[in-house]
Amino acid sequence: EAQVTQNPRYLITVTGKKLTVTCSQNMNHEYMSWYRQDPGLGLRQIYYSMNVEVTDKGDVPEGYKVSRKEKRNFPLILESPSPNQTSLYFCASREGYNEQFFGPGTRLTVL
Amino acid sequence: SQQGEEDPQALSIQEGENATMNCSYKTSINNLQWYRQNSGRGLVHLILIRSNEREKHSGRLRVTLDTSKKSSSLLITASRAADTASYFCATDETSGSRLTFGEGTQLTVNP
Repeated sequence: EAQVTQNPRYLITVTGKKLTVTCSQNMNHEYMSWYRQDPGLGLRQIYYSMNVEVTDKGDVPEGYKVSRKEKRNFPLILESPSPNQTSLYFCASREGYNEQFFGPGTRLTVL
Repeated sequence: SQQGEEDPQALSIQEGENATMNCSYKTSINNLQWYRQNSGRGLVHLILIRSNEREKHSGRLRVTLDTSKKSSSLLITASRAADTASYFCATDETSGSRLTFGEGTQLTVNP
């Protein structure tokens, strides 16, 4: 089954404790991206990657890092999380100018 | 930055009625896509309309695109309670490789 998976689905952590949210897709898509979703603000893109070893900033990259060492994986790293990064995070992938497939989301709470 | 803006922000109708949501955008696009999101879950692709298309159908969904007015509409006919969700338009800009989302329309279909 074609899918994007994310882990963990839920995470509660404390300020400053480094964390990684994993993302993997099994569709051999070149393009992957991360979004955060907050009430009243819609989906905002954090980072995207057009291919292995190619990443670029989206609209709200501050406080986040990503890497793309393999085509299928695109982890999101929060080196020192802060409460304003409490949000619902989505990973997504697509090929060319086609539909985008989303993961199920990761609900992060930073205390 | 948010490219697409949906209108209305919220829509409440009775089962069996039609629901129309509109999307306006600002720049040139390759295509425009509509997605659906059930509360707190991942977005699901509904339909994609390319810039050289004016209308597209998929089951009970009808999408129109007017590139001269930079606007699109999504019509859901004969709505059902199960159609209750948030609906987002997303634009694939010609200037880049990003898919940019609006803030969404919350549709409630009352049984």
